[in-house]
Amino acid sequence: KAGVTQTPRYLIKTRGQQVTLSCSPISGHRSVSWYQQTPGQGLQFLFEYFSETQRNKGNFPGRFSGRQFSNSRSEMNVSTLELGDSALYLCASSLLGDSVGYTFGSGTRLTVV
Amino acid sequence: KNEVEQSPQNLTAQEGEFITINCSYSVGISALHWLQQHPGGGIVSLFMLSSGKKKHGRLIATINIQEKHSSLHITASHPRDSAVYICAVGLGGGADGLTFGKGTHLIIQP
Repeated sequence: KAGVTQTPRYLIKTRGQQVTLSCSPISGHRSVSWYQQTPGQGLQFLFEYFSETQRNKGNFPGRFSGRQFSNSRSEMNVSTLELGDSALYLCASSLLGDSVGYTFGSGTRLTVV
Repeated sequence: KNEVEQSPQNLTAQEGEFITINCSYSVGISALHWLQQHPGGGIVSLFMLSSGKKKHGRLIATINIQEKHSSLHITASHPRDSAVYICAVGLGGGADGLTFGKGTHLIIQP
């Protein structure tokens, strides 16, 4: 079966711009969670969506937002980009959430210049 | 907030050696995950544990809920095992997302 697909794989944006990243989960998976990975902070939880509802949000500013569509595909948006937003953004999908494990996508590497 | 500590941070070993990576956490959890990340970024979920022990090939993961501690073992290590191994814990049901350790950089030399 197809894995978790993240697009685009690489992205270069200018400070102040906004960006939208996409994540298509494994078919049938209803939970999609997003993570940011940087060399300094490691992996950090951004938010999780389940059946189009945001269930929880990590400690990130309001510039980071997301949504989930009825087909479980999810997007995350970062507005007013800052240099510090340069990171690998990973999404993971799960049938129900933490209790049954996650499958991760390959990530989108965002560079803000 | 759960704190997740991994040790060692870096580990270099010779091919064939038995490898142990440790993970400790501070708050009770519903599940603990061991993840593997190769250069380039992709993450593979190796194990999800809520109790006891799991084995997959040369990889073994154990968890002690009372001591809030887990170990990942690699038997007969091989250069292709070289990667970053990350421990992550969750409270279940999407209640808190996952909290991650800083990772262990493992290099297996031939």
